[in-house]
Amino acid sequence: DAGITQSPRYKITETGRQVTLMCHQTWSHSYMFWYRQDLGHGLRLIYYSAAADITDKGEVPDGYVVSRSKTENFPLTLESATRSQTSVYFCASGLTAGASTDTQYFGPGTRLTVL
Amino acid sequence: KQEVTQIPAALSVPEGENLVLNCSFTDSAIYNLQWFRQDPGKGLTSLLLIQSSQREQTSGRLNASLDKSSGRSTLYIAASQPGDSATYLCAVLTSGTYKYIFGTGTRLKVLA
Repeated sequence: DAGITQSPRYKITETGRQVTLMCHQTWSHSYMFWYRQDLGHGLRLIYYSAAADITDKGEVPDGYVVSRSKTENFPLTLESATRSQTSVYFCASGLTAGASTDTQYFGPGTRLTVL
Repeated sequence: KQEVTQIPAALSVPEGENLVLNCSFTDSAIYNLQWFRQDPGKGLTSLLLIQSSQREQTSGRLNASLDKSSGRSTLYIAASQPGDSATYLCAVLTSGTYKYIFGTGTRLKVLA
């Protein structure tokens, strides 16, 4: 089915472990985004990508690594997980052209707990 | 730096009431503003997108308005129902960027 999917939906890990969250979209959108959602902060942008092999930092990038070798995939890696990275992570994609019609479509989220 | 604020943080109303959720933003140079709904433990569902040149958008019982000059948007929900209970998020796409800035949301509870 067309859309944007995330895996896993739920993940429990331990401090110091590496974790990769996957995001896949079937629309061939050029832009993809990773947000985290925490109580009291709303959604905050971690990283985004304008195209394959082009990525840039968002508001809260520390402790995260991204890559985009294919247009449809945008994995987010926590190289050494910390308790402060316990959060709900949302991936989004969009055809962004710098216009008022721009929008983003959000995945279902991954709930990550770091013990 | 764009900042988005939503008031109130939480709201509880009896079924059938008309209600207004507020969103304010500091930089009026925007491409658009979008209202989302989020159910507990779920993802984001887009409700309405208002382009910078538009004043309002309507979908069913929902009406969203935009006043760029004052940096404000409102989401009006008519004849509220228990099924409207959710968190409502406002997000702004600032001109010259590709990043939505989100408010912290209004948690709505409609009592039967």
